[in-house]
Amino acid sequence: GENVEQHPSTLSVQEGDSAVIKCTYSDSASNYFPWYKQELGKGPQLIIDIRSNVGEKKDQRIAVTLNKTAKHFSLHITETQPEDSAVYFCAASISNAGNMLTFGGGTRLMVKP
Amino acid sequence: DTGVSQNPRHKITKRGQNVTFRCDPISEHNRLYWYRQTLGQGPEFLTYFQNEAQLEKSRLLSDRFSAERPKGSFSTLEIQRTEQGDSAMYLCASSLGASGYTFGSGTRLTVV
Repeated sequence: GENVEQHPSTLSVQEGDSAVIKCTYSDSASNYFPWYKQELGKGPQLIIDIRSNVGEKKDQRIAVTLNKTAKHFSLHITETQPEDSAVYFCAASISNAGNMLTFGGGTRLMVKP
Repeated sequence: DTGVSQNPRHKITKRGQNVTFRCDPISEHNRLYWYRQTLGQGPEFLTYFQNEAQLEKSRLLSDRFSAERPKGSFSTLEIQRTEQGDSAMYLCASSLGASGYTFGSGTRLTVV
């Protein structure tokens, strides 16, 4: 089955700096890669996703890149703000086979004001 | 419709007791998923429904676990004879086809 590795497990940045979180996956059939933000006591919230026919996607301060050959994808947050502090999870799935997600282990992002 | 609703938010039960959780998905979503999340880990897939049909079950879902989605609307997850290892956050999510999921806030189960 699919295995998703996520790094780093914790990341501390100064407000205004950029943050990058990286994930690798094992199943070359995976074609859908979402990123979730989880705040304390809440369920994960989808912040951006990318499908395998696209190499990069951007939404305001958030961007995701995908390298299918190397089987890795990354989340980039620019101009970080204290409210970006949360746990971020990457995931992978085969969207036309039930779309069951395999999650990475999470990255705790702390943005210091 | 304000999103995916899960009840209860917290459940404390004694080992050996049965518990049942409920999930109300976004009304037009045909897919419903259950995940389990332990502290410091990412969610792990348990089972998924398309409408009322349960189409996939993880090996994590032992015989003590059962899930239903009657009439393709709300879903229940029951755990029989709870064990301390069942303590976790149980997350429900729904989607329309293969679109992105919307997760609920989860039910935190503590088995004492």
